[in-house]
Amino acid sequence: AQSVTQLGSHVSVSEGALVLLRCNYSSSVPPYLFWYVQYPNQGLQLLLKYTSAATLVKGINGFEAEFKKSETSFHLTKPSAHMSDAAEYFCAQAGFNKFYFGSGTKLNVKP
Amino acid sequence: GAVVSQHPSRVICKSGTSVKIECRSLDFQATTMFWYRQFPKQSLMLMATSNEGSKATYEQGVEKDKFLINHASLTLSTLTVTSAHPEDSSFYICSARDRAGKSSYNSPLHFGNGTRLTVT
Repeated sequence: AQSVTQLGSHVSVSEGALVLLRCNYSSSVPPYLFWYVQYPNQGLQLLLKYTSAATLVKGINGFEAEFKKSETSFHLTKPSAHMSDAAEYFCAQAGFNKFYFGSGTKLNVKP
Repeated sequence: GAVVSQHPSRVICKSGTSVKIECRSLDFQATTMFWYRQFPKQSLMLMATSNEGSKATYEQGVEKDKFLINHASLTLSTLTVTSAHPEDSSFYICSARDRAGKSSYNSPLHFGNGTRLTVT
């Protein structure tokens, strides 16, 4: 069965610092991978998706993710954190009729 | 973009009553919708997959008779929590995929804003 692993349930960065949220997926051909963000008491919003067109995927709000097949990773990054980035982030892998979500990483941004 | 509307956003009910949650795809047709439950500080747990015109597919451990799912049209799915108990209190989120003209694999899920259910 497919699975998605997010390392680090909590990540704390200072405002302006680099954000790195880690995601490893289970190998499948081809992997369809997504990052979502969830603000308190809200649903999930799509940040970006990987669909094999390019290994570096740019998303909304300045986020991007790099697909690395050799590492089965799809880490999410943002060069400079903003206070409004504080939220929970979920990595997901798509199957035919199911999505497999990681356990989530809560991002805290310190002023 | 694809919008999923979920109502109500918040509901408080008494133990033993039933609560209906609606999920609508506003600008696309969704042959399949998904219902998730999220416990505090945890990830999403898939409860069931709702298929238009047919019975829902429930995940292991989810009571079919307690969580009734109806997918009456290509834009509407409902989840009814029957005879609610305090342990049913949770955050319920629906989602749908826009499959029109796209591969089913790389179509993202679009989420409603969730429903916070509190059973007293």
